[in-house]
Amino acid sequence: QKEVEQDPGPLSVPEGAIVSLNCTYSNSAFQYFMWYRQYSRKGPELLMYTYSSGNKEDGRFTAQVDKSSKYISLFIRDSQPSDSATYLCAFSDSNYQLIWGAGTKLIIKP
Amino acid sequence: SQTIHQWPATLVQPVGSPLSLECTVEGTSNPNLYWYRQAAGRGLQLLFYSVGIGQISSEVPQNLSASRPQDRQFILSSKKLLLSDSGFYLCAWSGGGLAGYEQYFGPGTRLTVT
Repeated sequence: QKEVEQDPGPLSVPEGAIVSLNCTYSNSAFQYFMWYRQYSRKGPELLMYTYSSGNKEDGRFTAQVDKSSKYISLFIRDSQPSDSATYLCAFSDSNYQLIWGAGTKLIIKP
Repeated sequence: SQTIHQWPATLVQPVGSPLSLECTVEGTSNPNLYWYRQAAGRGLQLLFYSVGIGQISSEVPQNLSASRPQDRQFILSSKKLLLSDSGFYLCAWSGGGLAGYEQYFGPGTRLTVT
């Protein structure tokens, strides 16, 4: 079993739709949960992070963590064509090293 | 504000040739530094990380090496490139300790070995 599982997509949705991106993990020691966004041919950028179960909201983005199920999600409301990118989940066990998902390619159709 | 520079942006090298990629960080001191490689459509593979000058940890045994000659300079090298070294190389920095989860990436170098 891989330490992190993330569906590579692509996930194609119409503009304005709600997007749900997900990752599962197996390591109970993970304490920090991150979502990075990567545009084509660019480096990833940190989008959101959280260290507790529950929801964290930032504008149109909501990060959700369920430690009991070892499952994290990123929701995007009112999706825009500019949200088209690859979204990578990442995990940390209080070390400075991150464990990365493979990334989900998201396409928002105008 | 902090800035991370990485060059060159694109590189095409023949098999067996040497490699040197450079990364510098501005606006912070004593950062943790990282080299990643990303194959097409794949996640990030950590190659090396450094918590201080001259301190390098390797995650994947291969023909690549890294050095940190100055606090904010990180260099990725190879004496002889292989075809399998092709990929997108990313340098990143973070604060120390528990701040390590917040990593900031450079623009990347796309390396094609022919």
